[in-house]
Amino acid sequence: EAGVAQSPRYKIIEKRQSVAFWCNPISGHATLYWYQQILGQGPKLLIQFQNNGVVDDSQLPKDRFSAERLKGVDSTLKIQPAKLEDSAVYLCASSLRDRGIYEQYFGPGTRLTVT
Amino acid sequence: TQLLEQSPQFLSIQEGENLTVYCNSSSVFSSLQWYRQEPGEGPVLLVTVVTGGEVKKLKRLTFQFGDARKDSSLHITAAQPGDTGLYLCAVQGGKLIFGQGTELSVKP
Repeated sequence: EAGVAQSPRYKIIEKRQSVAFWCNPISGHATLYWYQQILGQGPKLLIQFQNNGVVDDSQLPKDRFSAERLKGVDSTLKIQPAKLEDSAVYLCASSLRDRGIYEQYFGPGTRLTVT
Repeated sequence: TQLLEQSPQFLSIQEGENLTVYCNSSSVFSSLQWYRQEPGEGPVLLVTVVTGGEVKKLKRLTFQFGDARKDSSLHITAAQPGDTGLYLCAVQGGKLIFGQGTELSVKP
């Protein structure tokens, strides 16, 4: 079974530029998550989708971050404009369900450096 | 203030040594998960503990959930270089909340 795919793996941009990340979840997984992991910290949830609807985006900085999941499969996360503090690894994860005890499967992440 | 406090934050040991890392909270949880994250990869689930006092073993790794379901520990016996990585505890409360992790380095 193919895992969660993410691209690009690395991205270096200057502050105030825009950047987009792509995620393809495991086939059949209805729930998709985007996390931000700053160096030395655990992942922090940015947004959770159930199919193509948003379940939780309470920690998404909506003035600069946006995400969409068209057709309930692939997803993109965009930052516009980027700030220095956005330097982090952006992880995508998916799961079959989001109730009870469930396992999230993570992609390899995109390492973003903002200079 | 972190919901989950992990300690130590960093640990560097020699191959063959034993170690224990901790995940503590003042809150009670219905379940707790441990993940391992290797450099350049996403976290991978190791175990889920659900019952107070529960002990689960995964080869050389032993996981324990506190009796009061507020804390957990991970013990590694005879650590190997392949155990190197970031160990994260996490709880599910509508969403997955992670601790800050313990960075483990096992030197040959």
